[in-house]
Amino acid sequence: QKEVEQNSGPLSVPEGAIASLNCTYSDRGSQSFFWYRQYSGKSPELIMFIYSNGDKEDGRFTAQLNKASQYVSLLIRDSQPSDSATYLCAGYSYDKVIFGPGTSLSVIP
Amino acid sequence: ETGVTQTPRHLVMGMTNKKSLKCEQHLGHNAMYWYKQSAKKPLELMFVYSLEERVENNSVPSRFSPECPNSSHLFLHLHTLQPEDSALYLCASSQDRKDPPGDTQYFGPGTRLTVL
Repeated sequence: QKEVEQNSGPLSVPEGAIASLNCTYSDRGSQSFFWYRQYSGKSPELIMFIYSNGDKEDGRFTAQLNKASQYVSLLIRDSQPSDSATYLCAGYSYDKVIFGPGTSLSVIP
Repeated sequence: ETGVTQTPRHLVMGMTNKKSLKCEQHLGHNAMYWYKQSAKKPLELMFVYSLEERVENNSVPSRFSPECPNSSHLFLHLHTLQPEDSALYLCASSQDRKDPPGDTQYFGPGTRLTVL
């Protein structure tokens, strides 16, 4: 069964630090990956996607993809308390998007 | 109005009631989805429609009945639900593209359903 795995957390980081969120996937046919942010009681909001090996930067966010290791990560620089949320990793493969369980991030002021 | 909208935002119903959830997308997308999100559990895909045709039904109980009259509207009809069906029900839409990055889904605000 195709799976996307994430550490459920909670991950706690001090304000201003780098938060590192990790995701592994089992399906080598996965073509691209998405990171969503979900605040408590709200719906998921797309942060960014990545489909090429390496790094992709967007503001304070950097997504990293290593297809050989089947590993995706999201780095959040200069973490702010407003970044406290659950982060969902999703993989796209053969017309299907599979979501991971999410990692809860808490940024401590 | 833009994006993906859902109504109602909150719903409380008894096990014998019949109700419907509505989703509308204003993004010109071709595919629409229903997800269930229970506390502490991953998103569960329930139904997928592409160009108004159901393309996936993930073994969802028959007490949930989807309807997609056109590419902008999606309904989820509910009847004789169980308390364990209480959850956040999310609608999403996408362009249904196959080329990279693949299909980016955009979510509505969700309907918080409580079954008594």
